Amino acid sequence: EAGVAQSPRYKIIEKRQSVAFWCNPISGHATLYWYQQILGQGPKLLIQFQNNGVVDDSQLPKDRFSAERLKGVDSTLKIQPAKLEDSAVYLCASNLQGGTDTQYFGPGTRLTVL
Amino acid sequence: DAKTTQPNSMESNEEEPVHLPCNHSTISGTDYIHWYRQLPSQGPEYVIHGLTSNVNNRMASLAIAEDRKSSTLILHRATLRDAAVYYCILRDDGSGNTGKLIFGQGTTLQVKP
Repeated sequence: EAGVAQSPRYKIIEKRQSVAFWCNPISGHATLYWYQQILGQGPKLLIQFQNNGVVDDSQLPKDRFSAERLKGVDSTLKIQPAKLEDSAVYLCASNLQGGTDTQYFGPGTRLTVL
Repeated sequence: DAKTTQPNSMESNEEEPVHLPCNHSTISGTDYIHWYRQLPSQGPEYVIHGLTSNVNNRMASLAIAEDRKSSTLILHRATLRDAAVYYCILRDDGSGNTGKLIFGQGTTLQVKP
């Protein structure tokens, strides 16, 4: 079974530029999560989708971050404009139905903002 | 959400057992204890979880104190591939909850050959 796919794996941009990350969850998984992991810290949830609806986006900085999951399968996370403090690894995870299910994580996208 | 306390780092020798402690004194009755680990340059992966009874799987064992205020993840024979950050997470797995994971700092495990 294929795991959670993410691209790109690495991205370097200048501050105030825009960037987008893509995630393809495990086939059949209804719930998709985006986490931000700053160096030396544990991952922090940014947004959770159930199919194509948002369940929790309380930690998403909505003035610059946006995410969508239009067809309830793959998802895109965008940052516009990027700040230096956005340098982090962006992790995507999925599971069957949220709730008690195990979350499966992708390898992450490492973003460096210069 | 209830919080956990873990040592920042631990060391182990290869092929010896490792006991990773976690304190969660404010755990509620519906909180499950989950362990995930994160190998270098990878996303976290599930290790084990439990509610009240001790649990075993192919990766590890989870020992839960009788009062549930602490737990211990046990790796029976550490290998170099077990070097990772180990996260102990409380999650309310009751119905209607979103299932989100709240990660702390975790314990960085070093395994020496």
